[in-house]
Amino acid sequence: KAGVTQTPRYLIKTRGQQVTLSCSPISGHRSVSWYQQTPGQGLQFLFEYFSETQRNKGNFPGRFSGRQFSNSRSEMNVSTLELGDSALYLCASSSDRGRNEQFFGPGTRLTVL
Amino acid sequence: GQNIDQPTEMTATEGAIVQINCTYQTSGFNGLFWYQQHAGEAPTFLSYNVLDGLEEKGRFSSFLSRSKGYSYLLLKELQMKDSASYLCAVRDRKAAGNKLTFGGGTRVLVKP
Repeated sequence: KAGVTQTPRYLIKTRGQQVTLSCSPISGHRSVSWYQQTPGQGLQFLFEYFSETQRNKGNFPGRFSGRQFSNSRSEMNVSTLELGDSALYLCASSSDRGRNEQFFGPGTRLTVL
Repeated sequence: GQNIDQPTEMTATEGAIVQINCTYQTSGFNGLFWYQQHAGEAPTFLSYNVLDGLEEKGRFSSFLSRSKGYSYLLLKELQMKDSASYLCAVRDRKAAGNKLTFGGGTRVLVKP
């Protein structure tokens, strides 16, 4: 079974631009969660999507948004980029059954200049 | 809200045992996870505890005490490849599905 894939792997943007990141979950997984990882703040939860609906949301500003498609693939968008948005963005999928552990993708490294 | 504490860094010798503690304060609890993350890589799942007690899986064991808000991850027979960050994460009971709050991670350095 293929793992979680994320594209692109690396991205460089400038302040004020917007960016869209993509995540394809493990086949059969309907839950997709997004996290931001920085050296100072660690791993922070952004939001979770399940069956095309946002099920949980973290404490991030409205510039951060996401969506999920009928095939469970998910995208997250960050508008009006700030220097502080530079981070590793990780996507995780889960089966929503049993212990429901999350399987992480390799991440997208975003650098905002 | 959730608050999760774990030590920042630990050093141990190859072949030894290391115990990584994690304490948490939560308004609702629905399971505790441990993940391993090598530098530059994604976190990988190690263990899950939802009931009190010890879960053993090969060289790795994890313990949970819900009344104390405490967990530990025990790494036995340390190998050089165990040098990594270890992340403790708690799932919120009040939220449906998956909403994990992570601790800051413990960087373990294994020396020869």
